Amino acid sequence: EDQVTQSPEALRLQEGESSSLNCSYTVSGLRGLFWYRQDPGKGPEFLFTLYSAGEEKEKERLKATLTKKESFLHITAPKPEDSATYLCAVQNKNNFNKFYFGSGTKLNVKP
Amino acid sequence: NAGVTQTPKFRILKIGQSMTLQCTQDMNHNYMYWYRQDPGMGLKLIYYSVGAGITDKGEVPNGYNVSRSTTEDFPLRLELAAPSQTSVYFCASRGTSGSADTQYFGPGTRLTVL
Repeated sequence: EDQVTQSPEALRLQEGESSSLNCSYTVSGLRGLFWYRQDPGKGPEFLFTLYSAGEEKEKERLKATLTKKESFLHITAPKPEDSATYLCAVQNKNNFNKFYFGSGTKLNVKP
Repeated sequence: NAGVTQTPKFRILKIGQSMTLQCTQDMNHNYMYWYRQDPGMGLKLIYYSVGAGITDKGEVPNGYNVSRSTTEDFPLRLELAAPSQTSVYFCASRGTSGSADTQYFGPGTRLTVL
């Protein structure tokens, strides 16, 4: 069965303290892996799509990487406005409409 | 573009009542999805549609129904509401060109069944 596990569940960082979030996945065939940001009371907001092992994407202080079993979201020198829940999802290549989400990592960046 | 819009934002239902959650997108996307998100959990797919007139079940379809009569609208119907349906419901859409795999989400409907 396809599934996604994210760790840690929650992460507290000081402003400027870099860290990484993990997304481990099991899927019968990977079409793509997605990272979303979700602010309280809002819908998920798209960040990145990764399609193959070794691929990397960057946006401001965020960098996403992908291996055959997991993805990392690296946060460099975070700011308080980076505080949010970060969700990871995988898309099955045998059915492009099957998306499986992890439960997210809640990031809190203190000034 | 308004993107994906959902109404209502909040709703309280009594057990056994019915309601329809509305979802509209103005991006001319073929694919539309309904998810539910329980506290501390990931999004679970309820139903999806690949175009007007075509719908299919996701992981957790029991207790829900959908229809897709137009490209823009994808309403979710709850019949005989139960406390287990207390959740936040998100609608999403995606297109078929460009970043075709990217889903765009609405702001959600927070539903409480008492």
